Amino acid sequence: GAGVSQSPSNKVTEKGKDVELRCDPISGHTALYWYRQRLGQGLEFLIYFQGNSAPDKSGLPSDRFSAERTGESVSTLTIQRTQQEDSAVYLCASSPQALGEQYFGPGTRLTVT
Amino acid sequence: AQSVTQPDIHITVSEGASLELRCNYSYGATPYLFWYVQSPGQGLQLLLKYFSGDTLVQGIKGFEAEFKRSQSSFNLRKPSVHWSDAAEYFCAVGAFRAGTALIFGKGTTLSVSS
Repeated sequence: GAGVSQSPSNKVTEKGKDVELRCDPISGHTALYWYRQRLGQGLEFLIYFQGNSAPDKSGLPSDRFSAERTGESVSTLTIQRTQQEDSAVYLCASSPQALGEQYFGPGTRLTVT
Repeated sequence: AQSVTQPDIHITVSEGASLELRCNYSYGATPYLFWYVQSPGQGLQLLLKYFSGDTLVQGIKGFEAEFKRSQSSFNLRKPSVHWSDAAEYFCAVGAFRAGTALIFGKGTTLSVSS
């Protein structure tokens, strides 16, 4: 079946602009995660959605970052007033249950100029 | 503090040689351990996972890993490396409870020489 998809694959934006990144999880997966991967670094957890529960936003680095998910479908990560330090690959993962292994999308490479 | 350490940033092995990638973790709860591989421009692919039971786990592509609780390690091994194994490898740890994101190491880049 189809894996996790993300769009766009690449995004170049000017400093100060807002961006929206999209994630389509695997159908039926109740859990969805967003991670950030800076060059030469591991993955940093940003936010977690599980079904209709309140999301775990503990990893969001600032109030410029927000994410939404409707039910168990698509999620959007929004970064407002982008800064150069936001340049990274943003990875989305979904899981069939809260405790299962995570399946990753190909990521969105964000470059802030 | 919870953390994952991959001591080797970059490793080069000859094709056909054996491979061991090191991973050490610090975690307050019973760990749930993973190895992922990331090829250039690709997302992460799960190689194998450990939660409980046999401490030697088999994964895809001929990889295996051994969990050693006393050493807080989960090293990845492969007896004979192929050129296509060149990629970045990430070790990750999580807890077996709802809502826990994985904690990743910084990764080890594997190069394979002919």
